[in-house]
Amino acid sequence: DTGVSQNPRHKITKRGQNVTFRCDPISEHNRLYWYRQTLGQGPEFLTYFQNEAQLEKSRLLSDRFSAERPKGSFSTLEIQRTEQGDSAMYLCASSKRGGRNTGELFFGEGSRLTVL
Amino acid sequence: GDSVTQMEGPVTLSEEAFLTINCTYTATGYPSLFWYVQYPGEGLQLLLKATKADDKGSNKGFEATYRKETTSFHLEKGSVQVSDSAVYFCALIGGSQGNLIFGKGTKLSVKP
Repeated sequence: DTGVSQNPRHKITKRGQNVTFRCDPISEHNRLYWYRQTLGQGPEFLTYFQNEAQLEKSRLLSDRFSAERPKGSFSTLEIQRTEQGDSAMYLCASSKRGGRNTGELFFGEGSRLTVL
Repeated sequence: GDSVTQMEGPVTLSEEAFLTINCTYTATGYPSLFWYVQYPGEGLQLLLKATKADDKGSNKGFEATYRKETTSFHLEKGSVQVSDSAVYFCALIGGSQGNLIFGKGTKLSVKP
């Protein structure tokens, strides 16, 4: 059983550029989450998909951020017109089917964004 | 809103020492509580959990008891090993959103 895979692992970009991160969840996990983690902080929830439907978005997810999961499998997180404050580790996680969120998430290793 | 507060690190211990990492929470209702661990170069992984008051979660020699009266979920291990060196995150699910809310993390370094 392969784990959650994220690409790229590290992205360095200039302010104003667009970046896209990809997440491949564990197969048959129907729920997929994006979190953001800055230095010295715990992960903060960004958004959540159940299959292809984006069911919840945090207020941290500004208009410059968009996430998709078009076929209910992999997901992409795009950040447009990046700002230095977007520099962080972007974490993807997936979880098994189930009506109630059990909190048992499987995390990838993260994609680190550095905006110069 | 719901939140988690955990002791600041880093914590440095010698091998076989006793470990306690404090965690307290603020939440409406009765949240489920978790400890996640992040080993160097790896993703976060669930270490243990407890879903109701007085429950004790345990795994890999680590334990934590859900204390409703003190709103705490302290992580303990009787004898740490070098391989326990990692960052430990306390977390909860509560309220209406049902998403994990994490503390800031505590870095543990165990010296041989």
